[in-house]
Amino acid sequence: NAGVTQTPKFQVLKTGQSMTLQCAQDMNHNSMYWYRQDPGMGLRLIYYSASEGTTDKGEVPNGYNVSRLNKREFSLRLESAAPSQTSVYFCASLSGGAADTQFFGPGTRLTVL
Amino acid sequence: RKEVEQDPGPFNVPEGATVAFNCTYSNSASQSFFWYRQDCRKEPKLLMSVYSSGNEDGRFTAQLNRASQYISLLIRDSKLSDSATYLCVVLRNTGNQFYFGTGTSLTVIP
Repeated sequence: NAGVTQTPKFQVLKTGQSMTLQCAQDMNHNSMYWYRQDPGMGLRLIYYSASEGTTDKGEVPNGYNVSRLNKREFSLRLESAAPSQTSVYFCASLSGGAADTQFFGPGTRLTVL
Repeated sequence: RKEVEQDPGPFNVPEGATVAFNCTYSNSASQSFFWYRQDCRKEPKLLMSVYSSGNEDGRFTAQLNRASQYISLLIRDSKLSDSATYLCVVLRNTGNQFYFGTGTSLTVIP
């Protein structure tokens, strides 16, 4: 099992460009999450999806959109990138049940110039 | 007020030392508690869940005090491989939203 995979690993954008970060999990988990991690801020939730077909805003959703394409895939889109969106983005899925363990992808390092 | 607060450190300790990290959370509706470990430029990984009665996993002991809204992690006999950032994580009982502390940095020195 690959667990949680993310593409791309690195990306540099110019202000105003758009891009989609891809995330997939092969653990048959219902819930999936997108976080950003900035120095001194910890991980902050952007959007999450409790199940296929549903998405909800987290703490910092502005400037982002998401799509839960199917149970495996959860993508994050930046329509018009801004320098404030320079960050490391992590996707995660949740095992659920009694465990409540989140499994993270390796992250995407995004720089917006 | 932040949902989860941690002392960022850094903690620099010699091999074999015992070190303790603390964390406080602000929302009394929080239901589940965890410690994650994050190595430099890597993704967070679950270290251990924290149970009300306290729990131990080898050299690691986690404790929860719901009355004080306080979580701790004790590492005994520190190894060089313990060097990492330790994240305190809290799950609220409404919705599957996790809240992360900013992390405590640990360096174990030979």
